[in-house]
Amino acid sequence: DVKVTQSSRYLVKRTGEKVFLECVQDMDHENMFWYRQDPGLGLRLIYFSYDVKMKEKGDIPEGYSVSREKKERFSLILESASTNQTSMYLCASCRELDQPQHFGDGTRLSIL
Amino acid sequence: SQKIEQNSEALNIQEGKTATLTCNYTNYSPAYLQWYRQDPGRGPVFLLLIRENEKEKRKERLKVTFDTTLKQSLFHITASQPADSATYLCAWVSGGYNKLIFGAGTRLAVHP
Repeated sequence: DVKVTQSSRYLVKRTGEKVFLECVQDMDHENMFWYRQDPGLGLRLIYFSYDVKMKEKGDIPEGYSVSREKKERFSLILESASTNQTSMYLCASCRELDQPQHFGDGTRLSIL
Repeated sequence: SQKIEQNSEALNIQEGKTATLTCNYTNYSPAYLQWYRQDPGRGPVFLLLIRENEKEKRKERLKVTFDTTLKQSLFHITASQPADSATYLCAWVSGGYNKLIFGAGTRLAVHP
């Protein structure tokens, strides 16, 4: 069974801090994704990666960057955290882009 | 722009009845739709995928239909149980198959 693990369930950071969210998958999937989920807005794609060191912007990349140095790990970086980045962050992976995605349980991030 | 809409109001039904959730899309015809279930504090879990050339797909008590004329997918849970209470998300793949677009989800509450 595919397992997508996010490093923290809850995280509290201060405005201006650099924040790292980590995601690891154990099924050798090519594709990995970072979403944020806000009430009433659904899941919005921040970035995705289709191979090591490859990345593409999603719908809301501003204020974020990503890193994929190894196939199993995809990191989301908030360069300088702001209060409007308080949200639930979800990582997902899949083997092919037209196949279902497997999600982690999310990181609830609060920026104070 | 490509949009996918789900009924934002919660659906409350009695145990044993059939729950029907709606997903409407505009502007583009997706090659396929996916349905996910999300429990509070957890990531979405894939349930069913239906392609544009399939009218209906079933899995145990779940049934999905896809009407390209109405630009709509219906998700049915027959003989519903309190354990079916969750938020259900529909998603479709944008042109180029490079990302999923999610609806905001519909919360289902099944009462004993």
